[in-house]
Amino acid sequence: DAGITQSPRYKITETGRQVTLMCHQTWSHSYMFWYRQDLGHGLRLIYYSAAADITDKGEVPDGYVVSRSKTENFPLTLESATRSQTSVYFCASTHVGDQPQHFGDGTRLSIL
Amino acid sequence: RKEVEQDPGPFNVPEGATVAFNCTYSNSASQSFFWYRQDCRKEPKLLMSVYSSGNEDGRFTAQLNRASQYISLLIRDSKLSDSATYLCVVNRPFFSGGYNKLIFGAGTRLAVHP
Repeated sequence: DAGITQSPRYKITETGRQVTLMCHQTWSHSYMFWYRQDLGHGLRLIYYSAAADITDKGEVPDGYVVSRSKTENFPLTLESATRSQTSVYFCASTHVGDQPQHFGDGTRLSIL
Repeated sequence: RKEVEQDPGPFNVPEGATVAFNCTYSNSASQSFFWYRQDCRKEPKLLMSVYSSGNEDGRFTAQLNRASQYISLLIRDSKLSDSATYLCVVNRPFFSGGYNKLIFGAGTRLAVHP
């Protein structure tokens, strides 16, 4: 059951490059989220989307851009990658805002 | 004060032991509570929801204390496979419309040894 998939699983890139992380879900969930997870910080919300064409900032949005032209896709773009954005990125989705979220496998991003 | 606070641990317990984690939350209007499990920075997975009357799922029991604003997770007869990080999750209500967010605690590490 691969209801929510992220790609790539691993990515290494250089400072200043643009990077896009993909997230695709097959459940037609309304809500989608992007989190980053760093040691000592737990999960931090970057951006979320309540529906197609509706997005909003989370706790740590600076340096990131999202879009949601289709319900099933929620790409996250780092416009000019910095070393501080090295992290594990998780995408999640849910049908109702305060109900459990289902997570993708994560993207391990290293910025050199 | 963090919205959701957990003891980071680690809790080191032998197989067969009973172990309990607590989690406190700051927003008295929160209505949804969950425990997630996360293995070695893999994706978090829902372990169980927490209901007002308390609920049990096999060896796992979750309880909610609204008066003191904490939830707990009890694991009986610990297995090696229970070794993981357990995340406490609470919703942050947004009364004027908009999205009702989930707030994740930083997690409590459990290590079960033979």
